[in-house]
Amino acid sequence: GNSVTQMEGPVTLSEEAFLTINCTYTATGYPSLFWYVQYPGEGLQLLLKATKADDKGSNKGFEATYRKETTSFHLEKGSVQVSDSAVYFCALRGGGSNYKLTFGKGTLLTVNP
Amino acid sequence: EAGVTQFPSHSVIEKGQTVTLRCDPISGHDNLYWYRRVMGKEIKFLLHFVKESKQDESGMPNNRFLAERTGGTYSTLKVQPAELEDSGVYFCASSQAPGKAETQYFGPGTRLLVL
Repeated sequence: GNSVTQMEGPVTLSEEAFLTINCTYTATGYPSLFWYVQYPGEGLQLLLKATKADDKGSNKGFEATYRKETTSFHLEKGSVQVSDSAVYFCALRGGGSNYKLTFGKGTLLTVNP
Repeated sequence: EAGVTQFPSHSVIEKGQTVTLRCDPISGHDNLYWYRRVMGKEIKFLLHFVKESKQDESGMPNNRFLAERTGGTYSTLKVQPAELEDSGVYFCASSQAPGKAETQYFGPGTRLLVL
């Protein structure tokens, strides 16, 4: 079955530091890949997505590239801000008519001023 | 446009009691999903509605869980009787049309604690 493994947290960084959160996946077929973010007290929001190999998703300074050869979708940001403090979830949706999302465990990021 | 809403935001009940969670999807979204996050674990899929029909209920843990979506609008998830292991955050999501680039929009979740 499908599975997602992401870097265990928590991750604590200083403002303006570089961020990488690793995510690897196992899936049959050609999945779509997603990063969701949950800010304190809020629901999950889609941060970015990629639907095929070598696609790069980007939003709010965050980027992730769909790497089929390494089955990875690592999240990066060049300079984090305090407002980026949140829980980040990597997820995939399998190909075909399988619409459910499979999530990683989530990574708590805290950015200190 | 209103997002996905869920009610209640929190619920504390005793083992053996019944709880009903409600989800209102974004207007016009035919697809509605329920997910659950048990403490420290992954967010796991429970089931998927297309309008009022259950498309996939492979994630429902057991027959103590009953989901409905009468009329294809809002959905309810009833847990009866609740057990300690049912504690967690229940998320609802909706989407307009499934497909490779489909985006599922999530609600804030209902935090359920079974004592």
